[in-house]
Amino acid sequence: DAKTTQPNSMESNEEEPVHLPCNHSTISGTDYIHWYRQLPSQGPEYVIHGLTSNVNNRMASLAIAEDRKSSTLILHRATLRDAAVYYCSQTSGSRLTFGEGTQLTVNP
Amino acid sequence: DAGITQSPRHKVTETGTPVTLRCHQTENHRYMYWYRQDPGHGLRLIHYSYGVKDTDKGEVSDGYSVSRSKTEDFLLTLESATSSQTSVYFCAISEDRDYEQYFGPGTRLTVT
Repeated sequence: DAKTTQPNSMESNEEEPVHLPCNHSTISGTDYIHWYRQLPSQGPEYVIHGLTSNVNNRMASLAIAEDRKSSTLILHRATLRDAAVYYCSQTSGSRLTFGEGTQLTVNP
Repeated sequence: DAGITQSPRHKVTETGTPVTLRCHQTENHRYMYWYRQDPGHGLRLIHYSYGVKDTDKGEVSDGYSVSRSKTEDFLLTLESATSSQTSVYFCAISEDRDYEQYFGPGTRLTVT
């Protein structure tokens, strides 16, 4: 079964960059890497996804290792509103398998 | 925000009773998903649908059934609820496989 692993928690200071890592030990060549985040009592929110190349959007950047066994979500300037649980995930066919999530704390 | 609603938002039921959760979308997306979220287990896929009347199992499908008779509605049924099915249930939609998923607000189900 697909499996992703993430650190349980990370801490950052406001307006500093944050690099959230994820390992994709069982990823195959056609599996996409997705990242979502979740605030308390809300549904997960899509952040970014990609296959092989690094990706940028208005929320974040996604760096994917050349062997695709790891990815890093980059928040360029953390704000207090970025405090959330961040989930990396990977597709397998039509299914997404989520990691346990990283609780990001942003200090003012 | 993607147009996804879930009903009910909260439900308490007794062991052995049937329960149906509804997910409704206004985006005309092809794929719809049901997940459950539990402490220590993250989000786990129960069932998904890739079109009207086309469904498939996820990793935790035992004890659950689904139906999709219209593009906009995806129903999750617990035929005989058990305490182990106490959880928060999220519906999600996506335009196609491998595309980003958009999640609903969730349904908190408690089985006593």
